[in-house]
Amino acid sequence: SQKIEQNSEALNIQEGKTATLTCNYTNYSPAYLQWYRQDPGRGPVFLLLIRENEKEKRKERLKVTFDTTLKQSLFHITASQPADSATYLCALPPGPSGYSTLTFGKGTMLLVSP
Amino acid sequence: DGGITQSPKYLFRKEGQNVTLSCEQNLNHDAMYWYRQDPGQGLRLIYYSQIVNDFQKGDIAEGYSVSREKKESFPLTVTSAQKNPTAFYLCASSIFRAENPYGYTFGSGTRLTVV
Repeated sequence: SQKIEQNSEALNIQEGKTATLTCNYTNYSPAYLQWYRQDPGRGPVFLLLIRENEKEKRKERLKVTFDTTLKQSLFHITASQPADSATYLCALPPGPSGYSTLTFGKGTMLLVSP
Repeated sequence: DGGITQSPKYLFRKEGQNVTLSCEQNLNHDAMYWYRQDPGQGLRLIYYSQIVNDFQKGDIAEGYSVSREKKESFPLTVTSAQKNPTAFYLCASSIFRAENPYGYTFGSGTRLTVV
């Protein structure tokens, strides 16, 4: 099964800087990858989906890249704000051609200070 | 507004009791899922359903049961066979189309504590 690695240490940055979070996977390359935001005590919120044939996807201040050679996705938040402080999860299908469920990483906490 | 509702928000269970967590969605989504989240761990899939009257086991189905009698509803029963049920339970739903992925919409969760 797929193993997903996200940095367990919190990322602390200053307001206005770009935050970059990493998601690495170890086995097969998935057909797509998703990113979610989770606030304490709440359910995750879907942010972005990127397919294997897409190198980059943008949505407002968010940008996701997908490098199947490195088996890695990077999640960027530009001009970060304290309101961006949360835990960010990446999620992949459990198999190389699966579309039925998602396997989630443990997430990385982002702390943006004013 | 369309959404997914989980109830109750907090639930306390005595040893040996079965409890049922509710999950209702009005998004007209085909698929529904139950995940469990423990501190420091990722979400782990318990059960999922892609169509009414059908469901599949996830990675940690032992000690849990589900039903999908209506498209809108996917209740989860935590049975006395589940040895460590204290956790945060998350229900999600999504559109399901073969060969085409969609993001999940999650509920706000139920925190279950064994007392």
